[in-house]
Amino acid sequence: DQQVKQNSPSLSVQEGRISILNCDYTNSMFDYFLWYKKYPAEGPTFLISISSIKDKNEDGRFTVFLNKSAKHLSLHIVPSQPGDSAVYFCAASGISNSGYALNFGKGTSLLVTP
Amino acid sequence: DSGVTQTPKHLITATGQRVTLRCSPRSGDLSVYWYQQSLDQGLQFLIQYYNGEERAKGNILERFSAQQFPDLHSELNLSSLELGDSALYFCASSVEETRHNEQFFGPGTRLTVL
Repeated sequence: DQQVKQNSPSLSVQEGRISILNCDYTNSMFDYFLWYKKYPAEGPTFLISISSIKDKNEDGRFTVFLNKSAKHLSLHIVPSQPGDSAVYFCAASGISNSGYALNFGKGTSLLVTP
Repeated sequence: DSGVTQTPKHLITATGQRVTLRCSPRSGDLSVYWYQQSLDQGLQFLIQYYNGEERAKGNILERFSAQQFPDLHSELNLSSLELGDSALYFCASSVEETRHNEQFFGPGTRLTVL
């Protein structure tokens, strides 16, 4: 049962434009959300997170928005750079019988073209 | 470099065999998590240890087991291997075991079962 869903397997954006990656979740007990970035042959790298008490968190070019009522979050990258080309995973955690494990989406492959 | 190390990087074995994957967490991290990433799947949580004790279990098969040693490194044992066990296995670590701690991932071990 996939509790975190990334419905767009891939996204292509021109350099300098905004990249918007979306994520939906079904478990209302999730209260902490993270985005990870993954290059081929490497492990996921933590990018940015947001607690459910906030609706926005910003870190440089990366901003995560959380809409709790819609159970939706998004990652905005502005401006997009070719080095941002990677697979982006949305993850969530909360009270569950899996302790503090992260629940991951299947990822969105972002391609930033020059 | 996340500071989490995993060995071996690649492992090729036959059905029915047993393998051991090793993980060393970041210095100071007490919590270790194991995840499996199969083809076209997001990362699936397997099991978590905290300071030597099992803390949570996810979708881990009975043929799989793990442990965390006094020096905090962890091993994931996979036995009676099947073709479907072919996947990337990631280890992650965090300082504590609260859900507001981001997890740092190793580079993964790619297991191929022939």
